[in-house]
Amino acid sequence: DTGVSQDPRHKITKRGQNVTFRCDPISEHNRLYWYRQTLGQGPEFLTYFQNEAQLEKSRLLSDRFSAERPKGSFSTLEIQRTEQGDSAMYLCASSLSSSGATDTQYFGPGTRLTVL
Amino acid sequence: AQKVTQAQTEISVVEKEDVTLDCVYETRDTTYYLFWYKQPPSGELVFLIRRNSFDEQNEISGRYSWNFQKSTSSFNFTITASQVVDSAVYFCALSEAHTGNQFYFGTGTSLTVIP
Repeated sequence: DTGVSQDPRHKITKRGQNVTFRCDPISEHNRLYWYRQTLGQGPEFLTYFQNEAQLEKSRLLSDRFSAERPKGSFSTLEIQRTEQGDSAMYLCASSLSSSGATDTQYFGPGTRLTVL
Repeated sequence: AQKVTQAQTEISVVEKEDVTLDCVYETRDTTYYLFWYKQPPSGELVFLIRRNSFDEQNEISGRYSWNFQKSTSSFNFTITASQVVDSAVYFCALSEAHTGNQFYFGTGTSLTVIP
């Protein structure tokens, strides 16, 4: 059983450029989450999907951030017009929803973004 | 306000010592879930344990044990006979029933086990 995978693992970009990250969840998992982790901090929730529906996006950091999960499998997180403050680790997690209870989320290795 | 507080930023212990990592949480929900994750230098968060608010039984898994006390809003994690491979950052997380699957993480405790 393969875990959550993320691509790329590292991304260096110049300020103002757009970047897109991909996450492939554990195959039978229907929920997918995005988090941001800055140095010395815990992961910060951004958004999540159940199948292809984005159920929570109010925590996305700005309108430069957007996420999609078009077929309910992999997801992409896009950051437009990157700023130096966007430099962070972007983590993806997935879970299998269980009725009436919070799921256990399983995390991928993350994509480390550096904005120059 | 911080929902999860891990007051210990860094801890160093000598191999084979026991170590306890503290976690204090804050919530108004009566139904909530607590988690511990390990983040080794490779960066991937590894799930360790999950507890719901109605289950205050302490749990032991090998060298790991967890002490959940609702009276003090704490969910502490003890590693017995620590090993070098235990060196990592450990995160405590909270999920509240009314916010569904949003996890609130603490700032983590960096544990270094010295051989």
